[in-house]
Amino acid sequence: GQSLEQPSEVTAVEGAIVQINCTYQTSGFYGLSWYQQHDGGAPTFLSYNALDGLEETGRFSSFLSRSDSYGYLLLQELQMKDSASYFCALVTGGGNKLTFGTGTQLKVEL
Amino acid sequence: ETGVTQSPTHLIKTRGQQVTLRCSSQSGHNTVSWYQQALGQGPQFIFQYYREEENGRGNFPPRFSGLQFPNYSSELNVNALELDDSALYLCASSFSGGYNYGYTFGSGTRLTVV
Repeated sequence: GQSLEQPSEVTAVEGAIVQINCTYQTSGFYGLSWYQQHDGGAPTFLSYNALDGLEETGRFSSFLSRSDSYGYLLLQELQMKDSASYFCALVTGGGNKLTFGTGTQLKVEL
Repeated sequence: ETGVTQSPTHLIKTRGQQVTLRCSSQSGHNTVSWYQQALGQGPQFIFQYYREEENGRGNFPPRFSGLQFPNYSSELNVNALELDDSALYLCASSFSGGYNYGYTFGSGTRLTVV
C-alpha cells in the first residue's frame, strides 16, 4: 500500500513564503500531485511532478525527490485567500487512483 | 466549459437505508472517480469508471457500487448504510491518462447517517 505524511498545521504571515512537506512510502507510483481545499469546498489541482525536480506555476512551486521519497509545495507571496488545507497525493493504480496524504491546514495571518 | 456538479449537496439517511449520489462530469472528460472524505482526513479512493466499466477500486466493501452512463455522468450507490459512512463524497472527472493535468473535483455531497 501507500502512505503519505504531512504536517497537520502550518502558520505563516501574509507576504511570506511557506513550504509544506510530504514524505511517502510506496512500491511504485506515476507522480506526486498537490491539491488545495477550502473548508467545505472542492479540492483544486495545483501541480503535478512526474519527474524529480521543481515545477513552477505562478506563486506555487512543487518539488519531488524519488530517491528521498519526499516532496514539497512552496507557496510564495502568501495571501489571506491561501488559507486552506493542502494535500499531497500519489498517482498510482495505472494512473487512475489518487492516494491522498493527511493534509496540512495552512493559516495565513496579517 | 462547465465543471463537475454533484447532487444532492446534503443528505441525511438512517442506518440500514440505501443512498444514490449523482455526478455530472466536466465537459470533455470521459473518466469519473469517487472519493470518500471523512472529517479532517484526506479523500480516500472508492472507484473509478471509464467507458461505463469499473476501472479500479479502493478498499471499500461491495455495498459501495457505481455506474457510469454514456454521457459520462455517474452514480454512487451505497447499500445498508452504516454510521461510519457519514462523510463528504467527492466526484472527480478527468480525461483518460490526464492525471498529469489534474482531476476536476465537484464540491461533494455531505452524507450524514443517523
